[in-house]
Amino acid sequence: AQSVTQLDSQVPVFEEAPVELRCNYSSSVSVYLFWYVQYPNQGLQLLLKYLSGSTLVKGINGFEAEFNKSQTSFHLRKPSVHISDTAEYFCAVDPRGSNYKLTFGKGTLLTVNP
Amino acid sequence: NAGVTQTPKFRVLKTGQSMTLLCAQDMNHEYMYWYRQDPGMGLRLIHYSVGEGTTAKGEVPDGYNVSRLKKQNFLLGLESAAPSQTSVYFCASRPTETGAKSYGYTFGSGTRLTVV
Repeated sequence: AQSVTQLDSQVPVFEEAPVELRCNYSSSVSVYLFWYVQYPNQGLQLLLKYLSGSTLVKGINGFEAEFNKSQTSFHLRKPSVHISDTAEYFCAVDPRGSNYKLTFGKGTLLTVNP
Repeated sequence: NAGVTQTPKFRVLKTGQSMTLLCAQDMNHEYMYWYRQDPGMGLRLIHYSVGEGTTAKGEVPDGYNVSRLKKQNFLLGLESAAPSQTSVYFCASRPTETGAKSYGYTFGSGTRLTVV
């Protein structure tokens, strides 16, 4: 079975600082990887995804993530955060196989302070 | 295009009551999923379906039943609600994987359920 570990449950940062949200996964087969963002009392919004090809993936709102197969990681980065980036971020893995099922990490709460 | 629609958006139940959550998608997706979201736990898979007439258990199926009589609808039932089922429920659907760059999951906006 696959699993996802988001190494930090909470990440506080100051506005305009860089941020990295860490995600590691385990799977016995090749995977697709996703990052979602959830603003307070809202649903899930797709930030970016890795399906194949370039390991550096760019998403919405200036976020990017790098797929590292050898380290089984998919860390999310942004060079300069805004207060509006305050939200919960979820990493998810989709193992390729006969019945794909998206498995989520427990989430990282990013709080951007002025 | 509505995507994935969940009804209702909010509901308060008394312990022991039953209810059905409806998920409807208009994208002709084969696969549909029900997740629950609890603080600090992320989203956990309750049940899923790989096509019309099929269902399967996910990670946390106890206390829930599902049905997929029509391809576009996936129903989640609580026969006898318990306070532990207080949660936010999300439905999702996805197409058959073909290697297309558009591959991905579409989520509904969620149902906030409180069991008192």
